[in-house]
Amino acid sequence: RKEVEQDPGPFNVPEGATVAFNCTYSNSASQSFFWYRQDCRKEPKLLMSVYSSGNEDGRFTAQLNRASQYISLLIRDSKLSDSATYLCAVNGGRGPNTDKLIFGTGTRLQVFP
Amino acid sequence: DTGVSQDPRHKITKRGQNVTFRCDPISEHNRLYWYRQTLGQGPEFLTYFQNEAQLEKSRLLSDRFSAERPKGSFSTLEIQRTEQGDSAMYLCASSSGLARTDTQYFGPGTRLTVL
Repeated sequence: RKEVEQDPGPFNVPEGATVAFNCTYSNSASQSFFWYRQDCRKEPKLLMSVYSSGNEDGRFTAQLNRASQYISLLIRDSKLSDSATYLCAVNGGRGPNTDKLIFGTGTRLQVFP
Repeated sequence: DTGVSQDPRHKITKRGQNVTFRCDPISEHNRLYWYRQTLGQGPEFLTYFQNEAQLEKSRLLSDRFSAERPKGSFSTLEIQRTEQGDSAMYLCASSSGLARTDTQYFGPGTRLTVL
């Protein structure tokens, strides 16, 4: 089983739609969770950190469920410019060398007019 | 531009050659990471430094790979005797090191093609 799993998609949605991505992780000791956005042939850019109580940034809402070891990203009112790959990332867990990030394979989103 | 920078952005080499990549982290960031990304996959961790100390190396990092960060600022990643399977995007990231796990900011990557 992969340490971080995401549905690769692609998700094809019309402008204005709401779309949700899920991500599961296997290391129960992980403490930090992130969503990154990656455009084609570019580097990952941080979209948002995910906090235990859930957090929102404009049209984007992230949730964490520690019991089920799952995080989610909700995008409301999708724009054409949201088309990208969304990468879920989880830190390596407790212990002295926990700083590495473990990424999922990414979920590709295509928003069409 | 005060972000993470990487050089070169693209490298094409023949199998068996050595290549070296450079990463300049965000100024005053103590932690520096190297990742590798192949098509259709997320970035995979290779190694990381806290200042000049290399604190962890992935099993992905074979003996042909070596990374250094001699003065705790920029870092180099060298691949000796390149193989076609080394073709990938090599990403560098840095973080401030002020929190136990804090946000990592990525550079634009070096795309390596081994012929």
